[in-house]
Formats: sequence, C-alpha cells, structure tokens
Amino acid sequence: KQEVTQIPAALSVPEGENLVLNCSFTDSAIYNLQWFRQDPGKGLTSLLLIQSSQREQTSGRLNASLDKSSGRSTLYIAASQPGDSATYLCAALTLNSGNTPLVFGKGTRLSVIA
Amino acid sequence: ETGVTQTPRHLVMGMTNKKSLKCEQHLGHNAMYWYKQSAKKPLELMFVYNFKEQTENNSVPSRFSPECPNSSHLFLHLHTLQPEDSALYLCASSQRGSTSGRTSNEQFFGPGTRLTVL
Repeated sequence: KQEVTQIPAALSVPEGENLVLNCSFTDSAIYNLQWFRQDPGKGLTSLLLIQSSQREQTSGRLNASLDKSSGRSTLYIAASQPGDSATYLCAALTLNSGNTPLVFGKGTRLSVIA
Repeated sequence: ETGVTQTPRHLVMGMTNKKSLKCEQHLGHNAMYWYKQSAKKPLELMFVYNFKEQTENNSVPSRFSPECPNSSHLFLHLHTLQPEDSALYLCASSQRGSTSGRTSNEQFFGPGTRLTVL
C-alpha cells in the first residue's frame, strides 16, 4: 500500500529565501506525482505534475524533481514571497490494475514572513 | 464556468437531515472523484467514477451515497450524518487513460464544500 510522507510538517522562512519541500513515497511504481497548493479552507490548485518518465518540471519560480528509485520528490521555491504562504501537498498516482488512486501526503504548511 | 465547481460552498446540517453536495466539471474529463479532508489528516479518497461507473468505494459508510448521472456531474447524498463527518469535501476530475497511454491523469479539484454536522 502506497504511503506518502512530507517533511517538514510546517516551515517558516523570511521573504526572499529559497526553500525546498520534501516528499517521499514507499512504492516506486508510480504513474505520476503531483504537487498542489491549498489555501486555508479552500480547494487544491495543481502546481506541477511530473510523469514517471520525467526527472523534473518547472513553472515560474517553482521546480519539482522526481527520483523514483529513491522514492523522493522535492519542490523548490525560489525567491519566496508572502503570497506563497499556503499548505503544499504532494500526491502519488500509483500504478494498479483497475483503479489508480491518488495518495496524498499530509502536507507542509509554509509561512513566508515579510 | 470553467474547471470544477462545487455547491454549496458551506453547509451546516443536523444529524437527521438529508442533503446533497453537487459537483460539475467543465473539462470534458471521463472520471470524477470525491475526497474527504479532515483536520490534521491526509486527503482520503471516498469514491471514484470512471465513465459514470463507480469503480471504487473506499470503505465509506452507507450514510454517504454517491450518484453520477453523466460524466460531467457528481453528487454526494448525505443522510443521518455524525458530527465526526464534519470536514471539507472535495470533488476532482481527470481524464483517465491506460497507464501506457498519453493522458496525464492529472486531477483537477473543485473549491470544496465545508460541511459541519451538529
């Protein structure tokens, strides 16, 4: 059974700092890995999706990497801004016959201090 | 409207009430999902509908009853809920294909319904 872990659970950084959020998964037979952002009480916004055949994806100040063999993904945020404050979730879409559930981590709550 | 929409955004109900949550996707996807998000717990998958057929029921109590009349609409009917069912209920959709195919299976989420059971 796939398990996804995110470390740290919470992170507070000053504005302008570069930071890395970590995600690990136990079953490397994934189809893709998705990073989401969630603002308090709101739904999820998809940030980046990395297919299992890819090593990284970039969007603006965000860069996500994937290492299937070690069961890890990282989300790098450059030049952080107060507007980046949110909870960041990673989710692994696991290869399975029939259903392919998206398994989520508990998230990292990021606070960027002005 | 674009993307995935959910109504209502907030719902307060008593344990004896019957209510329904509605989800609509405008993305032309063939799969829809219900998730539950409780405080301090990861998102939990509740139901999956693939081409209007329910393909997964993740051990959800029968007081939650899903309905998918077509590939664009998904409902979650609620009956005799418990206070511990209070949570954010999220709907998502994706274009599911074979794992060797070209579809990304990327899931897109709605804004959620914040449910409080008194």
